[in-house]
Amino acid sequence: ETGVTQTPRHLVMGMTNKKSLKCEQHLGHNAMYWYKQSAKKPLELMFVYSLEERVENNSVPSRFSPECPNSSHLFLHLHTLQPEDSALYLCASSQEGGGSGELFFGEGSRLTVL
Amino acid sequence: AQSVAQPEDQVNVAEGNPLTVKCTYSVSGNPYLFWYVQYPNRGLQFLLKYITGDNLVKGSYGFEAEFNKSQTSFHLKKPSALVSDSALYFCAVRGAHTGANNLFFGTGTRLTVIP
Repeated sequence: ETGVTQTPRHLVMGMTNKKSLKCEQHLGHNAMYWYKQSAKKPLELMFVYSLEERVENNSVPSRFSPECPNSSHLFLHLHTLQPEDSALYLCASSQEGGGSGELFFGEGSRLTVL
Repeated sequence: AQSVAQPEDQVNVAEGNPLTVKCTYSVSGNPYLFWYVQYPNRGLQFLLKYITGDNLVKGSYGFEAEFNKSQTSFHLKKPSALVSDSALYFCAVRGAHTGANNLFFGTGTRLTVIP
């Protein structure tokens, strides 16, 4: 049972489509994250929203666009993706500003770009 | 610079035997250290953490890890492996008092417990 819910769990899209991944956390945390997990590569931090500030990995292409309307919801908007963007996208949340801030992950959204 | 190394891509152990999954780290200042487990087609689950205090920390599912400052290691251990422990294990580190955007993960170690 997880306090972080991701939808959809699986998504297949063409390179010209526009889609969005959704994440919701029920843990009362104040920070949310998007990670990309590709086979045989380290987990890649894409975006962080923490204490109302956004931090992004400068290597993430602009075809990925995050949105965080409030502390419980996080979206990743996808457009004109490439086949190499196929991966497992993981959302996580944590409580920042005190304590150790361990991450709690959702089950992931498996994205396949055709 | 911060980094985490998991030197073994794959660890095989017989059911009932003790298991160790290795992790070494590099960080400025005091570390916060974490272990996560990932089962197939699932997200990462938090297992345990070291922040301060006792070097031996206990976590979920009977796992424990020992913080060794001189060797900059945080190896994951379990006295008796179960087949259900077969999964992908990730070590992670961040510097104390840094933000979670400074959390670095290792590349993962796949543990297979053989019946």
